[in-house]
Amino acid sequence: RKEVEQDPGPFNVPEGATVAFNCTYSNSASQSFFWYRQDCRKEPKLLMSVYSSGNEDGRFTAQLNRASQYISLLIRDSKLSDSATYLCVVSPGPGGYNKLIFGAGTRLAVHP
Amino acid sequence: DAMVIQNPRYQVTQFGKPVTLSCSQTLNHNVMYWYQQKSSQAPKLLFHYYDKDFNNEADTPDNFQSRRPNTSFCFLDIRSPGLGDAAMYLCATSRDGPDGSGSGANVLTFGAGSRLTVL
Repeated sequence: RKEVEQDPGPFNVPEGATVAFNCTYSNSASQSFFWYRQDCRKEPKLLMSVYSSGNEDGRFTAQLNRASQYISLLIRDSKLSDSATYLCVVSPGPGGYNKLIFGAGTRLAVHP
Repeated sequence: DAMVIQNPRYQVTQFGKPVTLSCSQTLNHNVMYWYQQKSSQAPKLLFHYYDKDFNNEADTPDNFQSRRPNTSFCFLDIRSPGLGDAAMYLCATSRDGPDGSGSGANVLTFGAGSRLTVL
């Protein structure tokens, strides 16, 4: 079993749609969680951290379910510019420079 | 702007011909990482430096070596590239807190990557 698993997609959605991605992780001791965004042939960039209580940043909402060991990302009112691969990232430790485990990503394609 | 710069952006080499990829950063981050990313796969950590301390991942092949001569620079050496080493190589940095608490350290700043082609 992979340490971090994501549905590879692609998710093809029209502009304005709401789309949700899930990610599961295998290490129950994992402490830190993130979503990174990676555009085609570019480097990953931090989209948002995921906090236990859930958090929102504009159109993006992240949720964490420790009991079920999954993380979700909700994108509302999708824009063409949201088209990218979304990487779920998990860290085994509470902080420090702990190794980050990346999922293979979920590809999102937003069309007009 | 402060950033992480990788050179070259594109590298074509022949099977078995050594390659060196470079990474420089102006962020003054004390941790530097090298990731390998193949098409449609997750970035895979090869090794990282915490200050001058080198940390190799257990499954990183011996064919891959790294050097960090100073805080700002880090190099990835591939001694004898094989066809399976064709990938994007990503350098990243992060800052660990002065007390080792890692405040903010999990946030990685990536360079634009070096794409390696092996003929």
